[in-house]
Amino acid sequence: DAKTTQPTSMDCAEGRAANLPCNHSTISGNEYVYWYRQIHSQGPQYIIHGLKNNETNEMASLIITEDRKSSTLILPHATLRDTAVYYCIVRAHPLPANSNSGYALNFGKGTSLLVTP
Amino acid sequence: NAGVTQTPKFQVLKTGQSMTLQCAQDMNHNSMYWYRQDPGMGLRLIYYSASEGTTDKGEVPNGYNVSRLNKREFSLRLESAAPSQTSVYFCASRGALGNTIYFGEGSWLTVV
Repeated sequence: DAKTTQPTSMDCAEGRAANLPCNHSTISGNEYVYWYRQIHSQGPQYIIHGLKNNETNEMASLIITEDRKSSTLILPHATLRDTAVYYCIVRAHPLPANSNSGYALNFGKGTSLLVTP
Repeated sequence: NAGVTQTPKFQVLKTGQSMTLQCAQDMNHNSMYWYRQDPGMGLRLIYYSASEGTTDKGEVPNGYNVSRLNKREFSLRLESAAPSQTSVYFCASRGALGNTIYFGEGSWLTVV
C-alpha cells in the first residue's frame, strides 16, 4: 500500500471550511484514497473515498490532484462536532483476482482537527 | 440495525490472566478485523478474517489468537495478558463488494 503523509494537527473556526491535506506520492494506478475520522472515544467512521475524480457526499468533498499524488478532504462548514482525528488511507480495490487476503486498511496517526467556536 | 457489537466494553485483567473479546456483526459481511489503538497512536491491525473459516495476521499479532466462529462472529483471545496489551480494541467488518469498513464502539482493556 502507498504511504500517506498528513499534518499532525490543524485548527479551524466553526462555520468555516476545513481543508485537510494528504500526500500519497507513491500511489499506484489501482489504489483508492479513503478518508475516515475518529471522534474521541468512538470507533472510526467512514467519510468518503475516490480514485481520480473529485467526489462529494453529504459529509464532505474529496479533491484529488491530477497526478494523484495528493488529495484534500474538505468539510465545507465545520461544526464543533467535526473535532476528530482524520485518517487518509490509500488502498487497492478491488483486490487482485488471485488474492485471498483480507481487505485491511492500515491506519496511520492521522490529523487531529480542532474546530473552535 | 446494531451494526458491529463488541463485548465487554471495559475490562481489567491481572497479568497472566486470559480473556476473550467478542465481536458480532449483523450486516452479513464477509471480512472482519481486530485493531488496537494506544494513546497518541493510530489504529494497528492485529488480525483479520477475509471470510468464514480463514484468518490472517496483521501488523501486531503477537500475544493474540482469533477465531472466526461463523460469518457473524470474530473473537480475539489473550491467552496470558501482559501490561503491554493495555489498549482500546476495535472490531470492524466489511462486505464483499463495499468499500466501507464499519467499526464497533471499542473495548477498553487494562492489564495490571
